[in-house]
Amino acid sequence: SQQGEEDPQALSIQEGENATMNCSYKTSINNLQWYRQNSGRGLVHLILIRSNEREKHSGRLRVTLDTSKKSSSLLITASRAADTASYFCATEGGPYNFNKFYFGSGTKLNVKP
Amino acid sequence: EADIYQTPRYLVIGTGKKITLECSQTMGHDKMYWYQQDPGMELHLIHYSYGVNSTEKGDLSSESTVSRIRTEHFPLTLESARPSHTSQYLCASRPGSGELFFGEGSRLTVL
Repeated sequence: SQQGEEDPQALSIQEGENATMNCSYKTSINNLQWYRQNSGRGLVHLILIRSNEREKHSGRLRVTLDTSKKSSSLLITASRAADTASYFCATEGGPYNFNKFYFGSGTKLNVKP
Repeated sequence: EADIYQTPRYLVIGTGKKITLECSQTMGHDKMYWYQQDPGMELHLIHYSYGVNSTEKGDLSSESTVSRIRTEHFPLTLESARPSHTSQYLCASRPGSGELFFGEGSRLTVL
């Protein structure tokens, strides 16, 4: 697989706490994206970070990318019960895999009210 | 709000039946994808298309086939369904660059 692991596989926190999820990958990438999936539904795009960027923010989301370690993290601040979902990172491959996206196994986040 | 639609959302069929999962998008995107996802697991790319009359197999071997006769339409067909085909199938599209837009998925159960 081109994709590594997401860590942790499951995370349970109280409303108001921060949630951090990590993603590792194996090959060179053009960009890395994070998606959210509610149970039984399709995926919704959250944020994209390009290989030449180190950090990006969008509302309560903060994404970091370390290409030397081939890893990324997603931080959700001040979590809400509505944030309960699975979160996936996806990498768009390098020169031979452009336009192909590889997904990790996801982190299942449970935010308790 | 993404304009990409998958039908049916749920399908339960017997072994040996032929099925077609429909995927349509109204955004004019050239690139379209089919992913297979077992519950709680990662997504696996099974087919993709970069435009009309262009289809490629993904990294996960699949007995399904696809066609791309119109930009907006990317159906997936299983000629003879088996219990091992039970899964969720997710269709996605993409403009020139940027993110994927996903449909709601088709959950297939083969008895």
